Amino acid sequence: DGGITQSPKYLFRKEGQNVTLSCEQNLNHDAMYWYRQDPGQGLRLIYYSQIVNDFQKGDIAEGYSVSREKKESFPLTVTSAQKNPTAFYLCASSIGIRGYSPLHFGNGTRLTVT
Amino acid sequence: AQSVTQLGSHVSVSEGALVLLRCNYSSSVPPYLFWYVQYPNQGLQLLLKYTSAATLVKGINGFEAEFKKSETSFHLTKPSAHMSDAAEYFCAVSDPGGGGTSYGKLTFGQGTILTVHP
Repeated sequence: DGGITQSPKYLFRKEGQNVTLSCEQNLNHDAMYWYRQDPGQGLRLIYYSQIVNDFQKGDIAEGYSVSREKKESFPLTVTSAQKNPTAFYLCASSIGIRGYSPLHFGNGTRLTVT
Repeated sequence: AQSVTQLGSHVSVSEGALVLLRCNYSSSVPPYLFWYVQYPNQGLQLLLKYTSAATLVKGINGFEAEFKKSETSFHLTKPSAHMSDAAEYFCAVSDPGGGGTSYGKLTFGQGTILTVHP
């Protein structure tokens, strides 16, 4: 079955360290997204990518970086510049970036930074 | 700019009772509307979507939602709640995008946690 795989499910890091979250999809979708979820705040868009080697900042991109070297993969790096990195991170994909394309989500990575 | 308001961060119902989760939106253009469900420590799953066809939309697991343009609402309902419906529900609105490859920005509501009592 096609889907989105995020790894690891839980991640613990010390403050000041960069950390990379993995996201792989086998749905053959062009568009991929990273969201951050905090309790009571819904989902906030970090970055999105329409095609390989192209990505755009979302609403809360500061302190994060991404790459899109392959269609299937869209890793997210949480850098030491992100002031409050502890959160639940969700990767998603869609056929296109037009508004009618529903998102397919992975099962998330819960990052804890101490 | 578009926005979504979900009325009630927590809703509690008895098993077998009607489920009603409220969603109001604002958008400067005819929107696309979605409901997603999230079970604990999992990603979101699409329940249903409105994309300018029928105003009453049927989704998975017996849920449905009605698009009411005059009320700018897209409330989610289910006639009879089941224990397995306990989860967090998100309403989301997107605009069509400017055309071609323009991004149709998706905005999520704050979420409503549904509790189902036996």
